[in-house]
Amino acid sequence: SAVISQKPSRDICQRGTSLTIQCQVDSQVTMMFWYRQQPGQSLTLIATANQGSEATYESGFVIDKFPISRPNLTFSTLTVSNMSPEDSSIYLCSATFAGGGGYTFGSGTRLTVV
Amino acid sequence: EDQVTQSPEALRLQEGESSSLNCSYTVSGLRGLFWYRQDPGKGPEFLFTLYSAGEEKEKERLKATLTKKESFLHITAPKPEDSATYLCAVRTTNTGNQFYFGTGTSLTVIP
Repeated sequence: SAVISQKPSRDICQRGTSLTIQCQVDSQVTMMFWYRQQPGQSLTLIATANQGSEATYESGFVIDKFPISRPNLTFSTLTVSNMSPEDSSIYLCSATFAGGGGYTFGSGTRLTVV
Repeated sequence: EDQVTQSPEALRLQEGESSSLNCSYTVSGLRGLFWYRQDPGKGPEFLFTLYSAGEEKEKERLKATLTKKESFLHITAPKPEDSATYLCAVRTTNTGNQFYFGTGTSLTVIP
């Protein structure tokens, strides 16, 4: 089955700084998805990233706060900008693969903002 | 409005004590219901996809079923290694390629 490598696995950051999370997929995919999972809660979709076009953001998420890059069909980054403690969460990337039906997820990035 | 509700929030079982987790959904145009397992500090791991009422899928001690209103994840004779959070998600005609996740059931199996 397909593998998604996500890094960093965790980080502790100062408020006001930015963190870029990377996801590498071992096969080409059209769409990649970025999710946030706040403590004790389920997954909330941040945005959908298509190669060659701007990401599509869900309600409550904006490009200035969560810029996304998708330079090719196997890679994407999510930046969490101007961080505050409320951004402390797990961030996950995912993609769907032909024949798989469901999403495959990266292992997640546990972000703590102090 | 599309809605997915999982119950119970948490479940503690003795090893070997079978039980079921519930995922109730109210959506327009279901295009698939998905079950995932999530271990602490890890991303969700795909388990099953169900597409139509009456469909069943099995994997080891897990069996997923689907009706027009809900899905059950049956766990037969669970072992401590089955301890995890189990998430269900739906894909609908409104969500396109996106999935809408429930809040999960945290399962603890006690030896």
